Amino acid sequence: KAGVTQTPRYLIKTRGQQVTLSCSPISGHRSVSWYQQTPGQGLQFLFEYFSETQRNKGNFPGRFSGRQFSNSRSEMNVSTLELGDSALYLCASRDNGGELFFGEGSRLTVL
Amino acid sequence: GNSVTQMEGPVTLSEEAFLTINCTYTATGYPSLFWYVQYPGEGLQLLLKATKADDKGSNKGFEATYRKETTSFHLEKGSVQVSDSAVYFCALWDSGGYQKVTFGTGTKLQVIP
Repeated sequence: KAGVTQTPRYLIKTRGQQVTLSCSPISGHRSVSWYQQTPGQGLQFLFEYFSETQRNKGNFPGRFSGRQFSNSRSEMNVSTLELGDSALYLCASRDNGGELFFGEGSRLTVL
Repeated sequence: GNSVTQMEGPVTLSEEAFLTINCTYTATGYPSLFWYVQYPGEGLQLLLKATKADDKGSNKGFEATYRKETTSFHLEKGSVQVSDSAVYFCALWDSGGYQKVTFGTGTKLQVIP
């Protein structure tokens, strides 16, 4: 079974730009969650999608958004990038027993 | 709401030392409990889990027991290796309601030869 795939793995943007990250979950998983990981703030929950609906949301500004498609693939978008958005963005799909399967992450650098 | 509290790191141990990383939780229901590990440069991966009270999860020499009376899920290993150096996250999943996964802040473990 293929694991969770995130693209791109690395990207560099400048302040004010926007970015879209993609996540393909494990086949059959309907839940996809996104996390931001930084050295200072640790692992922060962004949002979770289940069957194309946002089910849970963390405490991030509206610049952070996401969506899920009918094939369970998910994208997250960050608009008007700020220096503080530099982070590792992790995607995870969840099975019916609550176990999360993480991708390797997309490392975003904002200059 | 639900919450997970785990001990602050970093924790530095010599090889073959005994490891304990404390984790306590607050939950309204009957959550499942997990330990995830993140090796340098990688995403998180499941280390072990327990789904009900008194269950013991184990993997790669690590163990944790679901203690409902003390709301704890402490991670232990009898003899750590350099290869165990990583960040360890305690988490809970509430299967009711919105089924959200709640993570602790992570504990960085460094094992020195």
